[in-house]
Amino acid sequence: DTEVTQTPKHLVMGMTNKKSLKCEQHMGHRAMYWYKQKAKKPPELMFVYSYEKLSINESVPSRFSPECPNSSLLNLHLHALQPEDSALYLCASSQQISRNNEQFFGPGTRLTVL
Amino acid sequence: AQKVTQAQTEISVVEKEDVTLDCVYETRDTTYYLFWYKQPPSGELVFLIRRNSFDEQNEISGRYSWNFQKSTSSFNFTITASQVVDSAVYFCALSERVLGGNTPLVFGKGTRLSVIA
Repeated sequence: DTEVTQTPKHLVMGMTNKKSLKCEQHMGHRAMYWYKQKAKKPPELMFVYSYEKLSINESVPSRFSPECPNSSLLNLHLHALQPEDSALYLCASSQQISRNNEQFFGPGTRLTVL
Repeated sequence: AQKVTQAQTEISVVEKEDVTLDCVYETRDTTYYLFWYKQPPSGELVFLIRRNSFDEQNEISGRYSWNFQKSTSSFNFTITASQVVDSAVYFCALSERVLGGNTPLVFGKGTRLSVIA
């Protein structure tokens, strides 16, 4: 299985809602990533988990809360988002962050905040 | 500081034409890694190639080829006999080797390729 899956594919939420994005991989990878991508822009790194521990937080606002319950799962909890947070959220995984292996990306969740 | 420049914002070609996507990078490190990713309209980024800084051999994979030249800090990507399915945004990315690991990927702004039938 060389796939990263993400659910849901699309999400529309109000500014007062709480929702979660989910990401799953079964490749035995120990590094997982969240990226945010605005239209016609490159992906921007948000968080990196290594061996289920948060390794990098790129100064992301606290309304985004990542969680890595186990080595195969990565969640992104959303609360009190702003309309400017509307974007494609991509999850990725790689073998380890120390070896610079290629990252495998999921199809993304397209988020719209009303 | 790392930087990746993809000067071509959009390119349109007619099917079966060859097309080259340019990528120029900046880094102060001697050990680094370069990547190309393809992002079709569906949104998923598809890994195409990784190259480390010590391997300047060019690579060919089917209709795809990559030309890595350290002297000009370039890592260009050529598609031969382009097809409509090649239409996508292509990103070049860079990561440096640092003590304890690697820096996160730094992406170029991407080149949108449209192949017209």
